[in-house]
Amino acid sequence: DAGVTQSPTHLIKTRGQQVTLRCSPKSGHDTVSWYQQALGQGPQFIFQYYEEEERQRGNFPDRFSGHQFPNYSSELNVNALLLGDSALYLCASSALGQGYEQYFGPGTRLTVT
Amino acid sequence: AQKVTQAQTEISVVEKEDVTLDCVYETRDTTYYLFWYKQPPSGELVFLIRRNSFDEQNEISGRYSWNFQKSTSSFNFTITASQVVDSAVYFCALSGTTDSWGKFQFGAGTQVVVTP
Repeated sequence: DAGVTQSPTHLIKTRGQQVTLRCSPKSGHDTVSWYQQALGQGPQFIFQYYEEEERQRGNFPDRFSGHQFPNYSSELNVNALLLGDSALYLCASSALGQGYEQYFGPGTRLTVT
Repeated sequence: AQKVTQAQTEISVVEKEDVTLDCVYETRDTTYYLFWYKQPPSGELVFLIRRNSFDEQNEISGRYSWNFQKSTSSFNFTITASQVVDSAVYFCALSGTTDSWGKFQFGAGTQVVVTP
């Protein structure tokens, strides 16, 4: 049973560019959450998707957007990249009603230069 | 608003010593969940333990144990007889059950360094 997978593993982008990160949830899960973890800090909640809609959102600007597909996989898009967007981006999946049981993927390390 | 505080930035111990990590939380939810995660240098968050707010029974699981006290809003975690492989960053996290359902609030983390 595959766990949560994320791609790519690492990514280097230039300030002002746009980036798309991808996440496939654990089998049987229908809810995907995204977190940003800056160096030396704890993960910060970005948003959560269920039934292809954003259900909750943290304190992140509109430059951060997402999408969930019918197969429950999800994308995180960040526009107009800033140096401060450099971080580890973690995806977590859960089953609706079991939000307390989230499984995290290995993350995508984004570096903005 | 929810908040998790891990006051210890880094703890260094010698192998076989016990390590206790402190966690203090704030929430207005009456039902909530508390977690401890381990993050090795590879970056992946590894789930360790979960407790719900109705269960204050403290338990031991192998070398891990925890002390949950609602009266002081604390959820401390202990590694007994530490090993070098325990070296990692440990995060305490909180999930409410109302408007914050499924939205984890993490602490800043505590770096544990275990030397031989």
